[in-house]
Amino acid sequence: GIQVEQSPPDLILQEGANSTLRCNFSDSVNNLQWFHQNPWGQLINLFYIPSGTKQNGRLSATTVATERYSLLYISSSQTTDSGVYFCAALRQGAQKLVFGQGTRLTINP
Amino acid sequence: EPEVTQTPSHQVTQMGQEVILRCVPISNHLYFYWYRQILGQKVEFLVSFYNNEISEKSEIFDDQFSVERPDGSNFTLKIRSTKLEDSAMYFCASSFPGPTSQHFGDGTRLSIL
Repeated sequence: GIQVEQSPPDLILQEGANSTLRCNFSDSVNNLQWFHQNPWGQLINLFYIPSGTKQNGRLSATTVATERYSLLYISSSQTTDSGVYFCAALRQGAQKLVFGQGTRLTINP
Repeated sequence: EPEVTQTPSHQVTQMGQEVILRCVPISNHLYFYWYRQILGQKVEFLVSFYNNEISEKSEIFDDQFSVERPDGSNFTLKIRSTKLEDSAMYFCASSFPGPTSQHFGDGTRLSIL
């Protein structure tokens, strides 16, 4: 099946800094989603982005499907951005989302 | 915006007991899913459900698990005889057919004692 790898596993930044999280996937995908898991365990859907670029406030994401990677950018980080960020990919013809191991982001005040 | 809702938010059960986790998917979605996340680990796919039958399942989804859509709105996951290792967060999700976003509920945290 498809493999999804995220880097870095951990990232510690000061408030106001910018960050880039990376997701590599091993096969062609129909679906690529980014999630933020908050301290209560909820998965907050950030982007559905199988290709191209999207922006939502301080967050943006880019997926280069031909090169099998996606990037999540967080600008002007806030302490509330802390948590684990997951990407998940759905291989063409499949139904299950395969999640990466996540990047744990800690934003210090 | 429509949401996937899950109940209960937290379930504590004795080992060996049956447990039913409930989900109300987004009303016009046709695909339904269960995922689980053991504490500190990544989210894993359990099963997908379409047209009143299982369309795909993982190795985790063995005979102790079952899913059902008992009416037009609910989607349930039953674990027949719970084990300590079933302790996890269970997420329900739903989607339209085809390449589209899967929408996740807030999860049910299952604790087996």
